[in-house]
Amino acid sequence: NAGVTQTPKFQVLKTGQSMTLQCAQDMNHEYMSWYRQDPGMGLRLIHYSVGAGITDQGEVPNGYNVSRSTTEDFPLRLLSAAPSQTSVYFCASSYGTGTDTQYFGPGTRLTVL
Amino acid sequence: SQQGEEDPQALSIQEGENATMNCSYKTSINNLQWYRQNSGRGLVHLILIRSNEREKHSGRLRVTLDTSKKSSSLLITASRAADTASYFCATALGYGQNFVFGPGTRLSVLP
Repeated sequence: NAGVTQTPKFQVLKTGQSMTLQCAQDMNHEYMSWYRQDPGMGLRLIHYSVGAGITDQGEVPNGYNVSRSTTEDFPLRLLSAAPSQTSVYFCASSYGTGTDTQYFGPGTRLTVL
Repeated sequence: SQQGEEDPQALSIQEGENATMNCSYKTSINNLQWYRQNSGRGLVHLILIRSNEREKHSGRLRVTLDTSKKSSSLLITASRAADTASYFCATALGYGQNFVFGPGTRLSVLP
């Protein structure tokens, strides 16, 4: 059981570039979510999904897109990277929709120059 | 303003001492959870306490919940250097809702 995996671990982008952060889980969890963590702050929810084909916006969705074509995968796309998107990104999954224990991936550290 | 706020922001203690962190929140919750984050790593779930529970134990961890004061505390007894990490509380507002994380308490346990 690999749990929640994220790739890449580190990424440097130039302003305006696009990229996709990958997230996968092998626990058959229905609920998956993306957070960003900035220095001195807690995690802020970007997007979440309650099952394949269903996604919704969180607290800070602007500049990001998601899709959920399978239960296992939940990629996060940065459409046109901006320096304000420099952050650490965490993917998480859980059995239930928002009330169960969340399992986190190791994170992707993104720097936008 | 954030739903969950941990207090203190940073705490430094000696090995063997107890560490207490507090979390306050603003709205009614389904449950409250505590997570630990080691430097540069993802968050790891520690303990979940439901809104109808007042106290819960897990090993050296003790969590209390006071829904009338909208607050929770996490006590780590007999701390170890390996407990050095940031600790976050997360509130679950209800089924179909999302977690809200506080900014965390940074705990340093000195050997």
